[in-house]
Amino acid sequence: EDKVVQSPLSLVVHEGDTVTLNCSYEVTNFRSLLWYKQEKKAPTFLFMLTSSGIEKKSGRLSSILDKKELFSILNITATQTGDSAVYLCAVEANQAGTALIFGKGTTLSVSS
Amino acid sequence: DGGITQSPKYLFRKEGQNVTLSCEQNLNHDAMYWYRQDPGQGLRLIYYSQIVNDFQKGDIAEGYSVSREKKESFPLTVTSAQKNPTAFYLCASSIYRTGTYEQYFGPGTRLTVT
Repeated sequence: EDKVVQSPLSLVVHEGDTVTLNCSYEVTNFRSLLWYKQEKKAPTFLFMLTSSGIEKKSGRLSSILDKKELFSILNITATQTGDSAVYLCAVEANQAGTALIFGKGTTLSVSS
Repeated sequence: DGGITQSPKYLFRKEGQNVTLSCEQNLNHDAMYWYRQDPGQGLRLIYYSQIVNDFQKGDIAEGYSVSREKKESFPLTVTSAQKNPTAFYLCASSIYRTGTYEQYFGPGTRLTVT
């Protein structure tokens, strides 16, 4: 059975800290891994990763994929209170007509 | 502006009533999806549609129905057969561009059934 596991489930840090969120997966015919940030409503797209070892970066956020060990990490440096959100990891498998398999998310709380 | 709209934002229904959630997109995306989110759980796929007039069941399709008569629209009906309908419902659409996959989400509809 395909699955995506995120850890930790929740995390509380102080502003300025650096955090690392983890996502491991077991899927048949892996195609890509995606990270989303969900605040009050709908998730917003952060990164899509398809190749191992290539870091994707956007401001203070970065992510990398390890296809051998079947995991990805999302790093946030110099956290701000605006980073408080649920971070969702999703994996796309290369099966006809499938959508994404989501993890349960990591709830990040950044205190000032 | 291009995007996905869902309406209404909040919906209240009595148990035993069917209710239809709207999802419209003007992004010209072929694929559309319905997800459900419950507290402490990740998004779970209800139904998806890759092209007009075709749709497939997701992981939790029981008690739901959909239609895809137009590319822009993918309404979801929550029937009285759905045992726990109270949830946050997200609609999404997607497109593959060269080397990139993009999935966009609507703002969601929070359904409360009492």
